Amino acid sequence: AQSVAQPEDQVNVAEGNPLTVKCTYSVSGNPYLFWYVQYPNRGLQFLLKYITGDNLVKGSYGFEAEFNKSQTSFHLKKPSALVSDSALYFCAVRDPQDTGRRALTFGSGTRLQVQP
Amino acid sequence: EPEVTQTPSHQVTQMGQEVILRCVPISNHLYFYWYRQILGQKVEFLVSFYNNEISEKSEIFDDQFSVERPDGSNFTLKIRSTKLEDSAMYFCASSEGTANSYEQYFGPGTRLTVT
Repeated sequence: AQSVAQPEDQVNVAEGNPLTVKCTYSVSGNPYLFWYVQYPNRGLQFLLKYITGDNLVKGSYGFEAEFNKSQTSFHLKKPSALVSDSALYFCAVRDPQDTGRRALTFGSGTRLQVQP
Repeated sequence: EPEVTQTPSHQVTQMGQEVILRCVPISNHLYFYWYRQILGQKVEFLVSFYNNEISEKSEIFDDQFSVERPDGSNFTLKIRSTKLEDSAMYFCASSEGTANSYEQYFGPGTRLTVT
């Protein structure tokens, strides 16, 4: 069974500083990995994905994430945080080995708070 | 930019009543999904739908739930006899379904409150 862990309930960072939101996963084979962001009273917005290829993937709003197979991690990063980045961030995984399964398994979410 | 839409944004119903949550997926997408998020908890998969039939469902998606694509644009989730524990935010999502498409696009959600 696939699973995702986001070990931090909340991450606090000062505006202009780099940010990292952590995610580790467990799947039987090579994963498809995703990051979504949720603003208050809004749905989940797709940020970026890792499917194959370059371990560093770039996404929307200046975010990037690094796939690390040996550490089974897919941490979300941004070089310089903005106050407007404050939101709830979800990591999700899909196991492509199970061809009939397209469901995403989500982590519990990490609240990012960027202070001015 | 195309987006998934959902109606209503908030639905209040009494326990035992039937509710229908509606979604309009992105027009050229082939896969449709329902997820739910109980307050303060994870987003959980309920069901996926492709080619007019359920392609996958979770253990949450029991006999009280059903999905339907009644026409070329709408995708609905019906809960036949609501329980207090069905109170949650319900998200519809869609994806292209082509070989190189992987991400799912989510609607803004319907907040269901069962009293």
